[in-house]
Amino acid sequence: QLTQSPSSLSASVGDRVTITCRASQGISNSLVWYQQKPGKAPKVLIYAASTLQSGVPSRFSGSGSGTDFTLTITSLQPEDFATYYCQRRDSYPLTFGGGTKVEIK
Amino acid sequence: EVQLVESGGGLVQPGGSLRLSCEASGFILSDHHMDWVRQVAGKGLEWVARSRNKANSYTIEYAASVKGRFTISRDDSKNSLDLQMNSLKTEDTAVYYCARTSYSGGWYSDYWGQGTLVTVSS
Repeated sequence: QLTQSPSSLSASVGDRVTITCRASQGISNSLVWYQQKPGKAPKVLIYAASTLQSGVPSRFSGSGSGTDFTLTITSLQPEDFATYYCQRRDSYPLTFGGGTKVEIK
Repeated sequence: EVQLVESGGGLVQPGGSLRLSCEASGFILSDHHMDWVRQVAGKGLEWVARSRNKANSYTIEYAASVKGRFTISRDDSKNSLDLQMNSLKTEDTAVYYCARTSYSGGWYSDYWGQGTLVTVSS
């Protein structure tokens, strides 16, 4: 099981945003972060907990290992308002976190 | 260019069946694990099923919620991934995505289709 927090947040352009994902048991670094915008498929941002996917802006970063993981957006941009999901990739089922909706303040 | 295009969604009555297809292009399907992931309107993502690649003998995994009712299959010669859904329930109503898995120091789903809507209702 993956628990994301918060479930939603309001932030302003330029803010630093942190989203956490906690696993009920250790999953090493087998965690992926996705961004999803309304009506669109998810897009991978970070894999292996901290590796930035090619083409993703460097303001996105991931950290953590074991049970506690963090997605950080250092300076929120207008296009970053979306819902973010974590997913475990170490064993089946490949569970997703409940999602964090980032809204405009 | 990698593309995944789902089809086959629609309205079906509870207890009915539906077959979804995902047409893959721009890559060698047999090299990749492939997944079906679904999303109820306004809700989160749920992993549904996995078809491993040829190197892993095309073995399969299912979420507990669909095991025994859904069957994932692929035809690499036709670049196609399918999901046969039987004994459908109202709670199976969702947008269904197919997704490609890649590995580069970690596993992740790097390409997704646009999704196809399945509605289970009487």
